[in-house]
Amino acid sequence: GNSVTQMEGPVTLSEEAFLTINCTYTATGYPSLFWYVQYPGEGLQLLLKATKADDKGSNKGFEATYRKETTSFHLEKGSVQVSDSAVYFCALRAGSARQLTFGSGTQLTVLP
Amino acid sequence: DTAVSQTPKYLVTQMGNDKSIKCEQNLGHDTMYWYKQDSKKFLKIMFSYNNKELIINETVPNRFSPKSPDKAHLNLHINSLELGDSAVYFCASSPLGRGFTGELFFGEGSRLTVL
Repeated sequence: GNSVTQMEGPVTLSEEAFLTINCTYTATGYPSLFWYVQYPGEGLQLLLKATKADDKGSNKGFEATYRKETTSFHLEKGSVQVSDSAVYFCALRAGSARQLTFGSGTQLTVLP
Repeated sequence: DTAVSQTPKYLVTQMGNDKSIKCEQNLGHDTMYWYKQDSKKFLKIMFSYNNKELIINETVPNRFSPKSPDKAHLNLHINSLELGDSAVYFCASSPLGRGFTGELFFGEGSRLTVL
């Protein structure tokens, strides 16, 4: 079956630190990959996505590269801000599936 | 205007009661979903409707019954509430078919606490 594994949190960083949140997946075929972000008290929203191998998704200073050889889609940001504090979810869509499979979420707290 | 809106935002009730959560979307999407998020933030799909037709029905107790009166609304009714039903329930919507790129539009969630 399809599954997404994320690094366990919580992750606590100081402002301007480098962020990496690891995500690996198992899927049949070639899935599309996503990062969603959930700010406190809000619903999830799409942060970035990549639909084929070697694609790089980017948004708001965050980046993730679809690595087929390592089945990974790690989220990175060069310099985090307090406003990046949120829960980050990695997700996949297998082929033309009607739903997404989400990872367990990683809580990020950025301290001033 | 809020794109996907859920009511109520908070719900505290006793075990054994029946409750409903309502969801409405004004994005013109054909597909709507209910997700359950547990205390560890794990997100699991429960149901999905496409234009009032049930298309995804995961392994969920039959105490949970979704209802879609039209494609803009998807309500969730829960009978005989149990402690384990305490969670945040998220409604989401998306286009389907060629329009679905994997982006789901979520509501703000409804936090249900069963005492």
